[in-house]
Amino acid sequence: DQQVKQNSPSLSVQEGRISILNCDYTNSMFDYFLWYKKYPAEGPTFLISISSIKDKNEDGRFTVFLNKSAKHLSLHIVPSQPGDSAVYFCAAREGGGSNYKLTFGKGTLLTVNP
Amino acid sequence: NAGVTQTPKFQVLKTGQSMTLQCAQDMNHEYMSWYRQDPGMGLRLIHYSVGAGITDQGEVPNGYNVSRSTTEDFPLRLLSAAPSQTSVYFCASTQGGYGYTFGSGTRLTVV
Repeated sequence: DQQVKQNSPSLSVQEGRISILNCDYTNSMFDYFLWYKKYPAEGPTFLISISSIKDKNEDGRFTVFLNKSAKHLSLHIVPSQPGDSAVYFCAAREGGGSNYKLTFGKGTLLTVNP
Repeated sequence: NAGVTQTPKFQVLKTGQSMTLQCAQDMNHEYMSWYRQDPGMGLRLIHYSVGAGITDQGEVPNGYNVSRSTTEDFPLRLLSAAPSQTSVYFCASTQGGYGYTFGSGTRLTVV
């Protein structure tokens, strides 16, 4: 049973436009959500995160929105740049204790065309 | 400031061989974990450790062993490699569960 779902395997956008990457989750115990960016032959790098007590977090061109009632989060990239082309993973962590296991979605390949 | 270091970067094994994937972090993080990434599958948790001497299984632990004798090191052992273990392996660490640092990965092929 997949607890974190990224239903779009790929997304293609034009440079300068907005990229919206979506993520759905099923586990109500998740209280912290992260987005990672991954280039080929490299490890995932942290992009932005959001706690379940918030509905929005912004960092430069990147904004993450969380809708707890819908168990849905999205990552907005504005404006998109060719260097943003990568695989984006949504990840979630359950609250409580020192068990910091992350559950990942399958990823979305973003291609930003010049 | 090296972060999380994984060695080797590439490895080819024959079925039945054993090997250890190394992971070391210099950030004094208590929590360390191993993931594997397969095409179309995302990252799946193999084993994790919440501190020296404490390990536990993740989502896909079969065929892998771990130990954590120091805070810095968290090696992953394949006792008898199988083609199904062909994958890219990532080690990650965190302190407090808010910032996770990943290594650059080990690409393993089992023939």
